Formats: sequence, structure tokens, C-alpha cells
Amino acid sequence: SQTIHQWPATLVQPVGSPLSLECTVEGTSNPNLYWYRQAAGRGLQLLFYSVGIGQISSEVPQNLSASRPQDRQFILSSKKLLLSDSGFYLCAWRSPPLYEQYFGPGTRLTVT
Amino acid sequence: DQQVKQNSPSLSVQEGRISILNCDYTNSMFDYFLWYKKYPAEGPTFLISISSIKDKNEDGRFTVFLNKSAKHLSLHIVPSQPGDSAVYFCAASGSNDYKLSFGAGTTVTVRA
Repeated sequence: SQTIHQWPATLVQPVGSPLSLECTVEGTSNPNLYWYRQAAGRGLQLLFYSVGIGQISSEVPQNLSASRPQDRQFILSSKKLLLSDSGFYLCAWRSPPLYEQYFGPGTRLTVT
Repeated sequence: DQQVKQNSPSLSVQEGRISILNCDYTNSMFDYFLWYKKYPAEGPTFLISISSIKDKNEDGRFTVFLNKSAKHLSLHIVPSQPGDSAVYFCAASGSNDYKLSFGAGTTVTVRA
């Protein structure tokens, strides 16, 4: 069966510090991978998605970047965090041609 | 531009009664629709989906209805249970689309 891992579960970082969130998927090959953010009391905002190694599509211009160094690894990064980067970050995977996306447990990021 | 809309931010229902969640979409190219359930501080979990070639799909206590002409779908939960208290997201996708378009969510509270 497929499993998705995200870490860390919670993170408190000062403004201006770097960020690296990691997501890995097990039990599937060539998945589509996604990063979402949910701000407090808001819906799900798609940040990045990837259909293959090294292929990244950005949905919104912002202070974040994503990379996919391996087939089942997706990394969300920032060089300098802003207060507005606080939120709940979710990684998801999908196995084409199926439509369903499956989400990880999330990372709660608080920028102070 | 919000292509998937959940116009009711919240719903309160008594335990044992039916919960009806509504969702409208504007993009006529959408042909697959999904519902997700989300508890606080957790990733969304996939509940049920429906293809545009159908008008109903049932899975246990959950039934999704699709009205293509009205661009409307609904999720029925019968009977509602305390564990159903969560945020429910409606999502949609079109053929060859890598992404899901999510609604803003409806918070369901099941009262004892």
C-alpha cells in the first residue's frame, strides 16, 4: 500500500531564516506530487506541483520554491521566511490517470 | 477566480439526521468530482468521488449526487455521527488536468 510522509510535524522559525520541508511517498512510482498551504481559517491553496523528477510548476508567485530530486521526494524551501509564510503545509500525491490526490499529515509552520 | 464554490461555510446537524453539503462549479470542462474530509491539524482524507457520466455514487453512509446541467453536486451523509464533525472540501478536475480545484470548505458540526 502507498504511504506519504511529511516532516517535521511542527516548526517554529524566526523571520528571515531558511526553510526546508520534506515529503516522501512509498509504494508507488512516477507519482504526481503537490504542495498546498492552508492559512488559518482558509481553504487549500496549491503552491507547486510536479509531474516528474526536476519538473516543477509554480501556481503562485511567492517566497517559496520546490524541488523534486528523486521520483518520490518533494521538497519545499525558502531562503528567507516571512511572517506571511505561516500556515499548515500539506504534501499530496496522485497516481495518473486516477484523479484522486492523497495527502500527508501536514506540517504546522509558525514564523515569529 | 474561484471555479468551485461551497457557499455554506458551516452546517450544524443533529446526530442521526442527514447532513447535506452543497457545491457549485463554473468550469464546464470539469468531469470528475471529489469530496474530502479534514480534521484540524491533519491532512484531508479522500471520501468519495463521481465521474460526470454518472449522477449518483454511494459508499456506505456517503452519497454524492451530480447535476451537470446545474453544475451542482451535493454530498449526503446519513445518518450523521459525531465523528463526522470536520471540514468538508469539494474538488473538481478536468481530463488531462494535473490539478484539483478546491472549494473553500464547509465545517460540519454534529450535535449529540
